[in-house]
Amino acid sequence: DGGITQSPKYLFRKEGQNVTLSCEQNLNHDAMYWYRQDPGQGLRLIYYSQIVNDFQKGDIAEGYSVSREKKESFPLTVTSAQKNPTAFYLCASSISRSLSTDTQYFGPGTRLTVL
Amino acid sequence: RKEVEQDPGPFNVPEGATVAFNCTYSNSASQSFFWYRQDCRKEPKLLMSVYSSGNEDGRFTAQLNRASQYISLLIRDSKLSDSATYLCVVNINNNNDMRFGAGTRLTVKP
Repeated sequence: DGGITQSPKYLFRKEGQNVTLSCEQNLNHDAMYWYRQDPGQGLRLIYYSQIVNDFQKGDIAEGYSVSREKKESFPLTVTSAQKNPTAFYLCASSISRSLSTDTQYFGPGTRLTVL
Repeated sequence: RKEVEQDPGPFNVPEGATVAFNCTYSNSASQSFFWYRQDCRKEPKLLMSVYSSGNEDGRFTAQLNRASQYISLLIRDSKLSDSATYLCVVNINNNNDMRFGAGTRLTVKP
């Protein structure tokens, strides 16, 4: 079964701690993305990667970091520098970022709550 | 002005009704358009792409009006299972740079 997996589904973290969210895909997609969704708002792009060992900042990258050491994996670290980390985090992938018609497929999301 | 704007709703309609949502976008150079469906506390899933000539998929019809910079989604004969939030998504350049609307919530009641 091809798809995108994210873990964990729910995550609780104390203020001041870093935490890493996992995202894995077996679709052989080149491009991967991280978004956050807050109530009443559209998804906002945090980081994206078009190819292994390369990634770019999105609109709200401050307080976050990523790595892309393997094509299948694009983990997101939410650092203590992120001022409002409580949100629903969605990972997505597409065949390529360079094609405007490419569909993005989403993982099931991780709901992060900072206590 | 927001890049992508949607009426948040909620739209509460009876089963069998026809309901239409609009979504406006600010960047006239936008290249491609999509409707996604998102169920409560789940990930968005592609409902349909929106083509220049308009397109239909069963009970769902999507249209694009470039002159007025909006896209629309029409749902005919609505079912209880259509209850969800519908996200308008606009690709504003050729690099898959997606902009998401905040979504329109639809509730179909028996």
